[in-house]
Amino acid sequence: KAGVTQTPRYLIKTRGQQVTLSCSPISGHRSVSWYQQTPGQGLQFLFEYFSETQRNKGNFPGRFSGRQFSNSRSEMNVSTLELGDSALYLCASSPGTGGNQPQHFGDGTRLSIL
Amino acid sequence: AQKITQTQPGMFVQEKEAVTLDCTYDTSDPSYGLFWYKQPSSGEMIFLIYQGSYDQQNATEGRYSLNFQKARKSANLVISASQLGDSAMYFCAMRDLTNFGNEKLTFGTGTRLTIIP
Repeated sequence: KAGVTQTPRYLIKTRGQQVTLSCSPISGHRSVSWYQQTPGQGLQFLFEYFSETQRNKGNFPGRFSGRQFSNSRSEMNVSTLELGDSALYLCASSPGTGGNQPQHFGDGTRLSIL
Repeated sequence: AQKITQTQPGMFVQEKEAVTLDCTYDTSDPSYGLFWYKQPSSGEMIFLIYQGSYDQQNATEGRYSLNFQKARKSANLVISASQLGDSAMYFCAMRDLTNFGNEKLTFGTGTRLTIIP
């Protein structure tokens, strides 16, 4: 069974630009969550999508947005990039029932802002 | 609000020895789940083990076991017979189980484990 696929693996952008990251979940998984990982703040929850609807949201500014398509693939967009947005962005998928079902993570997209 | 505390930033352990990684938590949720993940240098988070707050027995998965002490709010990960491939960052995480379908995980700061040959 294929795992969670994130593209691209690495990305370099400059301040003020925008970026779109992509995530393909494990087949059959309907929930996709996004996390930001930085050395200073650790792992922080961005948002979760289930059946094309945002079901939960973390404490991030509106520059961070996402969407989910009918095939459960998800994209995350960051507009007006700031230096502090440099991070590893991790996508995780799961069946969507919560509980004891673990989230399965991709390898992440490492975003660097110059 | 949920909070996970991992007080060991780094640990060095001799190969084949057992190792305990500490995790304490704080939550007002009546029902919650605790997860441990491993993150090698490649970046991927690998799920290791799960413990529910109402589970009567401590969870075990191969060489991994969870020492769950609910009254002390601790959920320590025990790795038996450590191997060189166990060198990685280890994260403890919590999920509120009160609301059906909640997926959000709250993570601790992690422990970097290095296995010495």
